[in-house]
Amino acid sequence: QKEVEQNSGPLSVPEGAIASLNCTYSDRGSQSFFWYRQYSGKSPELIMSIYSNGDKEDGRFTAQLNKASQYVSLLIRDSQPSDSATYLCAVKGRGFQKLVFGTGTRLLVSP
Amino acid sequence: KAGVTQTPRYLIKTRGQQVTLSCSPISGHRSVSWYQQTPGQGLQFLFEYFSETQRNKGNFPGRFSGRQFSNSRSEMNVSTLELGDSALYLCASSLSSTDNYGYTFGSGTRLTVV
Repeated sequence: QKEVEQNSGPLSVPEGAIASLNCTYSDRGSQSFFWYRQYSGKSPELIMSIYSNGDKEDGRFTAQLNKASQYVSLLIRDSQPSDSATYLCAVKGRGFQKLVFGTGTRLLVSP
Repeated sequence: KAGVTQTPRYLIKTRGQQVTLSCSPISGHRSVSWYQQTPGQGLQFLFEYFSETQRNKGNFPGRFSGRQFSNSRSEMNVSTLELGDSALYLCASSLSSTDNYGYTFGSGTRLTVV
C-alpha cells in the first residue's frame, strides 16, 4: 500500500465549476497535511496546509481533513483555466518524519 | 525575501561520473530536504538535514549522499552516475523539520545522464 494515494486523473472540469481533489494516507500518526500545485516544467508550490480535522478556507481553496478516515481533500471553487496543473498531496508524521508526496492529480479546466 | 536557490539549473553528465548539486534555503530556514522527481515515480524523498545533521533518509542507494553546512546551505552528491539517475532534483526548505511548517521548493536541477 502506498503511503499517500491520489487518483492520477486527469480530472476535467469546466470553467467556473468546483474541482474536488482527493487524497488518502496510510500512517494514522500523520500530523501535517499539505497541498502543492505544480505547473508543467515548474517546481511544486505550496497552496494549502491543514493540521486539524475540519475545513480550512483560503480564497477559492478549501482543504478538508478527516483523520479518522485518513482522508484529505482540496476543493477549488470557480475553477479557472489557470488552475490547470498537477496537484500534489503531501503528508508528514510527528517530529522528524519525512514529508511524503502522492503522485499527484492532473486537473484540466476547460474555458 | 529570496526563495530557495538551486544551482546549477541544468546538467548533462556521462555515465560513471559524479555530480554535486547545491541548495541555498530561505534565510532563517534550518531544514533542507532533497527529492528526486521522475515522470514515472513522482516525488521521491532522498534525505533531510536539520542543523547539519541528517534527520531522515529515503530508499536510495549509497551513491546518493548529502550534507548541510553551518549556514544551512546543503549539497547533494551522486557518484557513479547511471542513466536512471536522470531526473529533476528538487530541494525544499522549512523553518524546522518538525510538524507544522510547510516546505518551499527551489526551481530544481535538471540532471541528464548520457
